[in-house]
Order: sequence, then structure tokens, then C-alpha cells
Amino acid sequence: DAGVIQSPRHEVTEMGQEVTLRCKPISGHNSLFWYRQTMMRGLELLIYFNNNVPIDDSGMPEDRFSAKMPNASFSTLKIQPSEPRDSAVYFCASSLPGQPQHFGDGTRLSIL
Amino acid sequence: EDQVTQSPEALRLQEGESSSLNCSYTVSGLRGLFWYRQDPGKGPEFLFTLYSAGEEKEKERLKATLTKKESFLHITAPKPEDSATYLCAVDRGSQGNLIFGKGTKLSVKP
Repeated sequence: DAGVIQSPRHEVTEMGQEVTLRCKPISGHNSLFWYRQTMMRGLELLIYFNNNVPIDDSGMPEDRFSAKMPNASFSTLKIQPSEPRDSAVYFCASSLPGQPQHFGDGTRLSIL
Repeated sequence: EDQVTQSPEALRLQEGESSSLNCSYTVSGLRGLFWYRQDPGKGPEFLFTLYSAGEEKEKERLKATLTKKESFLHITAPKPEDSATYLCAVDRGSQGNLIFGKGTKLSVKP
């Protein structure tokens, strides 16, 4: 079975550029989560969706961050404009109701 | 404020040397406690879910236990392949809204 698929695996871009991270959840999972992981703060939940609807975006750090889930098999996390402090590993996870979350292998983002 | 604290931050063991990792939590309305394993360059991989004090789960050399304020991950006779970062998370009961600890980085030397 295919797990959660994230792309790109690595992204290096300059400050001020728009960054789009992509996620394909496990087929049939109706919950999708975006996390950010840094050494200082660990793994933090940014936003999550149930049945393609955003439920809680209180973890999104600023208006520069936005996330969409146009259908059950695709989600994006966008940063515009990007800043060096956004450098981190971004993870996507998906789950069935009441079941453990399954994570992708992340996108390592570096903003120069 | 809901909080999850893991200790130690790092642990070095010799192969075969058993030990325990700690996860203490402060959360209103615990709906579940999760243990994950994370290898370098990979996403967290699910290990266990515990729901109530006194519950225990086992998988190979790992055993997770839960009390009202903390959880332990016991590693018996570890092998080098057990080297990883172990993450603990609590479910606050809001449709999978997890709070993660910062993890314990375990190194097992042959």
C-alpha cells in the first residue's frame, strides 16, 4: 500500500519567494494534518482537515501560510512570501477516524 | 496549558542494556497517548496507542505503559537497529489534535 506521499522532498529557495508543498494522503483516509518540525520547537501541528474541510488552523503561524484541500486525495501548504525562519521540515499525515496518524517522509525546506 | 515533556533528550546504551524513556504530560481530557519512532530523514512511524492508566502494550523489545501523569517506553535488550528518536504525543480529544513531545534520541552501540 502506498503511504502518504509528499513533494518535493527538498526545497531551497530565496527569501520572498512563494513555496508550495504538496501532499497525497492514504486513499480512504478522511483526516489530513500538516506539521512543522524544528530542533527548537519539535513537531507542531499547523492545520488539519476532516473530509476536506479545515477544522483547526490555530497552529498556522502567520497569514503568510495557507493550506487547501481541494479533494480527498490532494492538499497543499503554501508560504507567501517565505522568510528564513520558515526553514524547517514540513510533514503531512493522514488518518481514519479514531485511528493513528500515518506520516509522509516530509519536505525539508530551506529559505536563504 | 497542555504540555508533553520527554526525558532524557538523548540516551546512549550498549547493545543488550535495558532502559526506559519517560513521557510526562499535562492535558485536560486525555483521549489517548501515542508513541512514534522517527528515523533520520523519515516521518514518524506509529508504535503504540494507550488509552487508560494501567494499560500496557508490547512490540518486540518495546513495552509502553501509562499512568495518570506519565508514560514509559521500556526497551529490553536493545539492538543497534533500535536507534532512533522516540516521540510521545497526546490526543486532546479534538479530532486528532495531537501535542508532541520533543523526543528522546536513542543510540544503541554494538
